[in-house]
Amino acid sequence: KQEVTQIPAALSVPEGENLVLNCSFTDSAIYNLQWFRQDPGKGLTSLLLIQSSQREQTSGRLNASLDKSSGRSTLYIAASQPGDSATYLCCSGTYKYIFGTGTRLKVLA
Amino acid sequence: EAQVTQNPRYLITVTGKKLTVTCSQNMNHEYMSWYRQDPGLGLRQIYYSMNVEVTDKGDVPEGYKVSRKEKRNFPLILESPSPNQTSLYFCASSSWDSGNTEAFFGQGTRLTVV
Repeated sequence: KQEVTQIPAALSVPEGENLVLNCSFTDSAIYNLQWFRQDPGKGLTSLLLIQSSQREQTSGRLNASLDKSSGRSTLYIAASQPGDSATYLCCSGTYKYIFGTGTRLKVLA
Repeated sequence: EAQVTQNPRYLITVTGKKLTVTCSQNMNHEYMSWYRQDPGLGLRQIYYSMNVEVTDKGDVPEGYKVSRKEKRNFPLILESPSPNQTSLYFCASSSWDSGNTEAFFGQGTRLTVV
């Protein structure tokens, strides 16, 4: 059964820092890996999707990589801003999505 | 615009009063599913559907029903809601398209059962 773990569970950094969020999964036979952002009590905003044939995706200050052999994905946020404060979730699946428990990020002004 | 629409966004109801949360997608996706999100437990799948008239239980199906009579709609039914079903609910849709199974989520329904 696929299990997804995110480390750290919470992170507090000063504005401007580059940071890395980690996502580990137990079953390397995944199709895609998707990163979401969630503001408190709100919906899920898709950030990046890494398809099964890809190793990384970039959007603005965000870069996500996928290494199936090691069972890891990382989300890199460059030059963090207070507006980046949110919970970041990774998930894997097709019709059944398995989510990590998230990393709660706080960027201090 | 590709989207998944849930209604209502917020709902307060009393124990035992049947309710339905609707979910509709405009992307002609085969797959649809429901999740609940609870503090400390993350997102857990309730039910999923792989196509019209094909549904199956997820990890936490007790107390819920679903139906998939049309491809675009996947309502979640609580026949007799209880306080432990107070949660934030999300509907999702996706499609198998050359290995691309990007998930699209609705904006969520916050349900409170008193």
